[in-house]
Amino acid sequence: EIVLTQSPTTIPASPGEKVTITCRASSSVSYMYWYQQKSGASPKLWIYDTFKLPPGVPNRFSGSGSGTSYSLTIDSMETEDAATYYCQQWSNTPWTFGGGTKLELK
Amino acid sequence: QVQLMESGPGLVQPSETLSLTCTVSGFSLSIYNVHWIRQPPGKGLEWMGVMWSGGGTDYNSALKSRLSISRDTSKNQVFLKMNSLQSEDTTTYYCVREGYGGFAFWGQGTLVTVSS
Repeated sequence: EIVLTQSPTTIPASPGEKVTITCRASSSVSYMYWYQQKSGASPKLWIYDTFKLPPGVPNRFSGSGSGTSYSLTIDSMETEDAATYYCQQWSNTPWTFGGGTKLELK
Repeated sequence: QVQLMESGPGLVQPSETLSLTCTVSGFSLSIYNVHWIRQPPGKGLEWMGVMWSGGGTDYNSALKSRLSISRDTSKNQVFLKMNSLQSEDTTTYYCVREGYGGFAFWGQGTLVTVSS
């Protein structure tokens, strides 16, 4: 099983601040996927194929990485971005998720 | 419009079997794969298994001995059955359709509590 480790676990950020979340895989994966989940709601696909944004996701979000190291970056934090973000891999079953990074407003 | 809706008992007795139904609309189960994913309260996400569009299934090895996924394409429904429930199976269960190469369409989730 591929274990995904996210860091940090919690990030306090102020509006306008640049934010980066890292996801490290225990084995190399081909792509990384990211989900946003707000309290009480279902997760939403936020980034796919490492760097692609689904319709409706603001372009202040970006994804990058390869192999065992991937990241999600917000160029300029907005209040609506406060949520928990999970990374996920499709390379090997069982498909696994990271433990989550909670992005909080400072 | 793609929609998925989970339904089932909110409370299950320990050691009993959980049965959940995912009713879908806006797409065909014969074309798209549907997964079950669960999330304990305040914790992360765990992939449980998948009903492939072709009718086959795959399961998380950690749950495989207890889990069964099936479907009725005529009713647009996917079913989950898991036996020998314990307190650690108290979670929100989601059915999810693939899209954009990821888990793109999620149901609202159904919370199942295992308790006597």
